[in-house]
Amino acid sequence: EIVMTQSPVTLSVSPGERATLSCRASQSIGKNLAWYQQKPGQAPRRLIFGASSRATGISARFSGSGSGTEFTLTIDSLQPEDFAVYYCQQYNDWPPLTFGGGTTVDVK
Amino acid sequence: EVQLLESGGDLVHPGGSLRLSCVVSDSTVARYPMSWVRQAPGKGLEWVSSISGSGGVTNYTDSVKGRFTISRDNSRNTVYLQMTSLRVDDTAVYYCANLPSLVAPSFDYWGQGTLVLVSS
Repeated sequence: EIVMTQSPVTLSVSPGERATLSCRASQSIGKNLAWYQQKPGQAPRRLIFGASSRATGISARFSGSGSGTEFTLTIDSLQPEDFAVYYCQQYNDWPPLTFGGGTTVDVK
Repeated sequence: EVQLLESGGDLVHPGGSLRLSCVVSDSTVARYPMSWVRQAPGKGLEWVSSISGSGGVTNYTDSVKGRFTISRDNSRNTVYLQMTSLRVDDTAVYYCANLPSLVAPSFDYWGQGTLVLVSS
């Protein structure tokens, strides 16, 4: 099973600043990685797939990068609606499909 | 807008059974592979099971193998999760989610979830 590790667990950022979230895979997954955003009481929403492709309707403030075992989600100019929990998910080698533990982005 | 609507969540005793349903509003999307993903209270996301568009291929996480069964009825745009021998650690919000494909299975559309509470 591929283990996904996200860091930091919590990231405190001021509105308007940039947030950089990390996700590491226990073995190479190529670019087979997705990122999701989840707000309290809501279902997750896919932001990025293929490590760097934005899903339909996702703001250009969200960008993904990386390949192999190291991945990054960058959120430029944080808006109030961006404060949420973010998860990465690998789909290179499954079952099982595996998620990282999540990073909470909160207001500094 | 594509909508997924789960139902069937309830309070059940350990060892009990429950069947979850997920209705997809769009007939085209409903033909794609589908998954169930769960989230225990205050915890992260956990993939549970997936099924191909035809229903011929199914996969499960190890902890539910032999206890849960995923199925679908494409004439009703509906995916099911039959859960038996439920355990306290199965307590979670269960989401159904659409997969663009089984080759690159990231979760596209999501339902709002249905709560399964396993408790004595």
